[in-house]
Amino acid sequence: DQQVKQNSPSLSVQEGRISILNCDYTNSMFDYFLWYKKYPAEGPTFLISISSIKDKNEDGRFTVFLNKSAKHLSLHIVPSQPGDSAVYFCAASARAGGTSYGKLTFGQGTILTVHP
Amino acid sequence: DTEVTQTPKHLVMGMTNKKSLKCEQHMGHRAMYWYKQKAKKPPELMFVYSYEKLSINESVPSRFSPECPNSSLLNLHLHALQPEDSALYLCASSRVQTGQGAYEQYFGPGTRLTVT
Repeated sequence: DQQVKQNSPSLSVQEGRISILNCDYTNSMFDYFLWYKKYPAEGPTFLISISSIKDKNEDGRFTVFLNKSAKHLSLHIVPSQPGDSAVYFCAASARAGGTSYGKLTFGQGTILTVHP
Repeated sequence: DTEVTQTPKHLVMGMTNKKSLKCEQHMGHRAMYWYKQKAKKPPELMFVYSYEKLSINESVPSRFSPECPNSSLLNLHLHALQPEDSALYLCASSRVQTGQGAYEQYFGPGTRLTVT
């Protein structure tokens, strides 16, 4: 049962244009969402996150949008740069309740290629 | 300093060997994690330590034995592994989540494990 889905295995965009990466989730208990970037032979690098009480969070060229009713989030990168070429994972975390932990459930990833 | 270090970078071991993976962070994080990542798949959570105590074991076989000797160090002891255990093993750390939301996890570069 895949609770976090990234339905596009790959995305190709031109340098300077907008990259939009999408993510859907099924677990309504998820209340925090994160995007990670991963280069080959490296660990994932945290990019940006959003809490379920917000619908948008912006950090420089990166903006994450959350549509709770549709259980959908997206990452916008504007303008896209060749150095952004990597695998992008969205991840979600459910409320811990009385227990303190931070289990992340990852999507399958989208390979972004930005052409010069 | 947001660095998580992992040693070794690469490890080849036979099915009868005993080996250990090591992870270290100096960010003052009190939650540490082991993930397993197979090729073209997302990271999968194995273990979570919170305040040096094991808080989550995602039904991982006993041939994987985690240890958290102090707040900066996390080990993964390996014994009698199978070839299908070959994967990238990632360590991560974060602040301890309490209540709603989550803190971003910082990942190390991983140990590429091959079981022959």
